[in-house]
Amino acid sequence: AQSVTQLGSHVSVSEGALVLLRCNYSSSVPPYLFWYVQYPNQGLQLLLKYTSAATLVKGINGFEAEFKKSETSFHLTKPSAHMSDAAEYFCAVSDRWSGGGADGLTFGKGTHLIIQP
Amino acid sequence: NAGVTQTPKFRILKIGQSMTLQCTQDMNHNYMYWYRQDPGMGLKLIYYSVGAGITDKGEVPNGYNVSRSTTEDFPLRLELAAPSQTSVYFCASSRTVNTGELFFGEGSRLTVL
Repeated sequence: AQSVTQLGSHVSVSEGALVLLRCNYSSSVPPYLFWYVQYPNQGLQLLLKYTSAATLVKGINGFEAEFKKSETSFHLTKPSAHMSDAAEYFCAVSDRWSGGGADGLTFGKGTHLIIQP
Repeated sequence: NAGVTQTPKFRILKIGQSMTLQCTQDMNHNYMYWYRQDPGMGLKLIYYSVGAGITDKGEVPNGYNVSRSTTEDFPLRLELAAPSQTSVYFCASSRTVNTGELFFGEGSRLTVL
């Protein structure tokens, strides 16, 4: 079964600094990969997703992620952090070969992003 | 367009009580899910459904039951509540699988004392 590992349960950056949230997946074949964001007391919403040959994926709010098969990684980045980016971020994986994938996504444990003024 | 609506948002139960968390979506999605979220543990799938009348267990189904009589509704039933079921519960729906986006409700925070 596929899984994802998010390195760092908490990441703190200064406003205006680069944001880098790490995600590594474990799968025998390239899966579909997702980043979700959860603001306080809200549900999760999709930031971006990788489902095709385009390895650099751009999402909402200036975030992007690069799929690197050789490193089994899908790290999330943003060039300049804003205070409004403070939230919980989840990496998730779906096995495209699992005969439908109707059982949803497998989520990582999450990374709490803290923005220092 | 309301999306996915969950009720109640908060609930406190005593050990042994039962309750139902309601979930409804107005996007005509076939696929619906119940997850629980515990601090530092991410989201774990409880049950899912691929359409009206069809449900299946996820990773952590013990202590829960679901039904799917209509496309819109996917209630989660807790029987004989236990402290281990203290969690935040999220309902989600999707139009497609694998490449599809999950749309989440705002969550239901349950405390069992």
